[in-house]
Amino acid sequence: GEDVEQSLFLSVREGDSSVINCTYTDSSSTYLYWYKQEPGAGLQLLTYIFSNMDMKQDQRLTVLLNKKDKHLSLRIADTQTGDSAIYFCAESIRGGSYIPTFGRGTSLIVHP
Amino acid sequence: GAVVSQHPSRVICKSGTSVKIECRSLDFQATTMFWYRQFPKQSLMLMATSNEGSKATYEQGVEKDKFLINHASLTLSTLTVTSAHPEDSSFYICSASGAGGTKETQYFGPGTRLLVL
Repeated sequence: GEDVEQSLFLSVREGDSSVINCTYTDSSSTYLYWYKQEPGAGLQLLTYIFSNMDMKQDQRLTVLLNKKDKHLSLRIADTQTGDSAIYFCAESIRGGSYIPTFGRGTSLIVHP
Repeated sequence: GAVVSQHPSRVICKSGTSVKIECRSLDFQATTMFWYRQFPKQSLMLMATSNEGSKATYEQGVEKDKFLINHASLTLSTLTVTSAHPEDSSFYICSASGAGGTKETQYFGPGTRLLVL
């Protein structure tokens, strides 16, 4: 299987919460990232979490890390139509010069 | 936050020509720059890693003579697609990481869409 796996699609109603899930295989992962890519654009770093943390919150974004299960999630509260994009989960390890390994991305569709 | 720019944003060229794409870090010194290629609805594929002043390290399967990378300064890296063919059409994205607090994260440029006719 792939090193970083994500579901490909998620559809939510405007105002609801979105939860995007990711699993990874490398237990030595040091940093885990969430990137956002809007159509035709590059990647925007949304947030990242160090592997010794369980949770990180930044405004509407909450990242949860279950290191035992190698599971990472991104929760977007009060999802807006402007949140529609592809969200990439990525991991990196210190010994790997922090080069991230990306998942295939989850396409989030927010409908009215 | 750190800003990375790319130029051009879009380019259309004829088969057989060479295309140069620039990647610049605008407000930090990028000790390492990365070049990715992204196919439609796919993840990013790392092509090569370059450190300022040294030769780029290419990933397996990436032709170094076809994709020339130059990282001449701490703020500029270039990718030249030589003798481009239609199968080289893709979205090319660069990223940069720097020393100190930015080495753990990569900051991405907006991407360059290349169409080879």
